[in-house]
Amino acid sequence: AQSVAQPEDQVNVAEGNPLTVKCTYSVSGNPYLFWYVQYPNRGLQFLLKYITGDNLVKGSYGFEAEFNKSQTSFHLKKPSALVSDSALYFCAPLAGNNRKLIWGLGTSLAVNP
Amino acid sequence: GAGVSQTPSNKVTEKGKYVELRCDPISGHTALYWYRQSLGQGPEFLIYFQGTGAADDSGLPNDRFFAVRPEGSVSTLKIQRTERGDSAVYLCASSLTGASGEQFFGPGTRLTVL
Repeated sequence: AQSVAQPEDQVNVAEGNPLTVKCTYSVSGNPYLFWYVQYPNRGLQFLLKYITGDNLVKGSYGFEAEFNKSQTSFHLKKPSALVSDSALYFCAPLAGNNRKLIWGLGTSLAVNP
Repeated sequence: GAGVSQTPSNKVTEKGKYVELRCDPISGHTALYWYRQSLGQGPEFLIYFQGTGAADDSGLPNDRFFAVRPEGSVSTLKIQRTERGDSAVYLCASSLTGASGEQFFGPGTRLTVL
């Protein structure tokens, strides 16, 4: 079965510190990998994606993610967290030919001032 | 507008009633997706349109749920004989091609079935 796992329900980090939100996946073939963010009472917003090429992908708002094929991981990172980054983050692989994103429960990020 | 819009933003209905939820995708996007999201959960896939046709409706929970996209643009999600368990935020997303492109989400419709 194809799946995604975000092992941490919540991540807490101090403003200015680096942050990492972890993601591992189980998808057949070479997956396309996405990160989305959901701010309170707002829709999901695309952050970044990995299709092919360089394993380090840069996205919106200073976020980046590193694709690791051997570990089937796609961790989201940011060098210096902002309070405004506090939100719910979803890692979502695109599964094969059926074009469906696979969603987990997400990780709630809290950045403390 | 430039983004995906959904109407209404909130819908309260009684058990057993019929509801329609509308999605207006980004102009030119051929792919359109419906999801629903319950509190504390990730989005749950319902149906995917490529143009006017439903390319994948495997996520529709039962035959009370139906969706159309007659002209390949606006889509309507229809729920018959609503049940309390249908209460959720219904999300619509569109994508330029539905292949490797990112999906752009609307703000959602919060459905409450009393």
